Amino acid sequence: EAQVTQNPRYLITVTGKKLTVTCSQNMNHEYMSWYRQDPGLGLRQIYYSMNVEVTDKGDVPEGYKVSRKEKRNFPLILESPSPNQTSLYFCASSPGGWDEQFFGPGTRLTVL
Amino acid sequence: AQKVTQAQTEISVVEKEDVTLDCVYETRDTTYYLFWYKQPPSGELVFLIRRNSFDEQNEISGRYSWNFQKSTSSFNFTITASQVVDSAVYFCALSEADYGQNFVFGPGTRLSVLP
Repeated sequence: EAQVTQNPRYLITVTGKKLTVTCSQNMNHEYMSWYRQDPGLGLRQIYYSMNVEVTDKGDVPEGYKVSRKEKRNFPLILESPSPNQTSLYFCASSPGGWDEQFFGPGTRLTVL
Repeated sequence: AQKVTQAQTEISVVEKEDVTLDCVYETRDTTYYLFWYKQPPSGELVFLIRRNSFDEQNEISGRYSWNFQKSTSSFNFTITASQVVDSAVYFCALSEADYGQNFVFGPGTRLSVLP
């Protein structure tokens, strides 16, 4: 089954404790992206990747890191999480940057 | 900079009414793509449609239709004879082609269809 998976689905952590949210897709897509969703703001793009080893900032990259060492994986790293990073995070993939995106189920992160 | 505005934060209609969700965008590119996504109460994001900037033909898919007008930078979405299952948050999104491949989503419109 074609899908985008994210882990964990729920995470509660404390300020400053490094964490990684994994994202994997099995559709051989070139383009992958991370978004955060906050009430009233819609989805805001954090980082995107057009291919292996090619990443670029979205609209809200501060406080986040990403890497794309393999085509299928695109982890999101919060090196020192802060409470303002409490949000619902979605990973997505698509064949190209202008195609329909397939979204993962979301990761709800709470930073205390 | 690119921007997507969805001025209607929340809309409530009674089942079988028609409803139009507005989307206005800003872009400096001549080539761009517009999208609509649906997020039902279960939380997943569901793709509905993609249009490119060179195709202004309106689209109809069952009870759904989309009106793309470059002259007013709008890409509105109409649901005809709404049903309770249409209750969701609807997002309009824009991807530019000339200045990178980042996506911008609007803030969303929450549609409630009452029985």
